[in-house]
Amino acid sequence: GQNIDQPTEMTATEGAIVQINCTYQTSGFNGLFWYQQHAGEAPTFLSYNVLDGLEEKGRFSSFLSRSKGYSYLLLKELQMKDSASYLCAVRPDSNYQLIWGAGTKLIIKP
Amino acid sequence: DTEVTQTPKHLVMGMTNKKSLKCEQHMGHRAMYWYKQKAKKPPELMFVYSYEKLSINESVPSRFSPECPNSSLLNLHLHALQPEDSALYLCASSQSSYNEQFFGPGTRLTVL
Repeated sequence: GQNIDQPTEMTATEGAIVQINCTYQTSGFNGLFWYQQHAGEAPTFLSYNVLDGLEEKGRFSSFLSRSKGYSYLLLKELQMKDSASYLCAVRPDSNYQLIWGAGTKLIIKP
Repeated sequence: DTEVTQTPKHLVMGMTNKKSLKCEQHMGHRAMYWYKQKAKKPPELMFVYSYEKLSINESVPSRFSPECPNSSLLNLHLHALQPEDSALYLCASSQSSYNEQFFGPGTRLTVL
């Protein structure tokens, strides 16, 4: 089967750093995506990993270990606007389908 | 232009109505998608068009009928929907199957 696990909810403090983990068991692997989704809005693309290692983009970084079936999204210098759900999605093969995690709701406190 | 647009933003319809959702992108993307999203759930893929041809239909009931008039437009025709079809309907596009998908703002559909 295809499965992606993420924590349901996390809480962090404004200005701090938070790491959101994602583990996956899929029939194949052809890339992993992270999306941000504010309540009532559409998902917004954050990052893409297909090779092992760290991808940095401003305050956000994403890491992938294919051998461990593991990724994380690192958010630095947290701001109140970072309160949102963060979705991990894996493309198991070369077609268009993504397997989505249930999302992690991140709550930022002052 | 780096956005996907969708109309309408909100739609309320009865179970006997016929309505259409519209999606447009001008990024030259060759793949377009329809997703359904229920509250606190991830997006659920419904259809994929690749080069204007239906590539994936995820066993969606026939009361949902997609149409791709050209490479920039995607429609979703709705007929005889059920209350459980109430959800956020998202359109997305991507350059290819290997690229990230860009989502439109969605249509919030309520079926009475």
